[in-house]
Amino acid sequence: GEQVEQRPPHLSVREGDSAVITCTYTDPNSYYFFWYKQEPGASLQLLMKVFSSTEINEGQGFTVLLNKKDKRLSLNLTAAHPGDSAAYFCAVSENTNTGKLTFGDGTVLTVKP
Amino acid sequence: EAAVTQSPRSKVAVTGGKVTLSCHQTNNHDYMYWYRQDTGHGLRLIHYSYVADSTEKGDIPDGYKASRPSQENFSLILELASLSQTAVYFCASRGGHNTEVFFGKGTRLTVV
Repeated sequence: GEQVEQRPPHLSVREGDSAVITCTYTDPNSYYFFWYKQEPGASLQLLMKVFSSTEINEGQGFTVLLNKKDKRLSLNLTAAHPGDSAAYFCAVSENTNTGKLTFGDGTVLTVKP
Repeated sequence: EAAVTQSPRSKVAVTGGKVTLSCHQTNNHDYMYWYRQDTGHGLRLIHYSYVADSTEKGDIPDGYKASRPSQENFSLILELASLSQTAVYFCASRGGHNTEVFFGKGTRLTVV
């Protein structure tokens, strides 16, 4: 089945710096990709969903890049602030009728003032 | 706003006891999922369902059963709870296999 590797497991940056989190996956048929943010003790909050073969999506303070050729998905927080401190997870959805999501192990981001 | 409600939000269970975690969605979604999250890790799929009265095994089904009596409700059952099942459990629903997934707030289960 699908395997998702997420790096790095921990990331510490200064306020205003950029932070990049990367996921690689194995199933070339995977079709939908998601980034979630999870604050301590809370549920998962959807940041962005990506579908196209190569796509750059921009949200509020972050950019998501999908490269299906390399089977790589990345999240770039362009100017991190302390409120971005949380765990971030990528998730890959199979292109089947199960709708299953396979998650990376997460990245704990700490943004220091 | 899509809603997935889990109950209880936390539970302490005794080893060998039976535990039932409940999930209710008002999204009119066909797909429902139970995930488990261990500290410092991502979510792993236990069981899922895409139609009432039918469930499917996920990636880590051992020690768990699931029940989908209606489109709105999906339960996770631990017949004989073990220490290794201490974790946070998330229920989720999805309208179709290519749409957004909505998560509940999670149930923190501690088996002692």
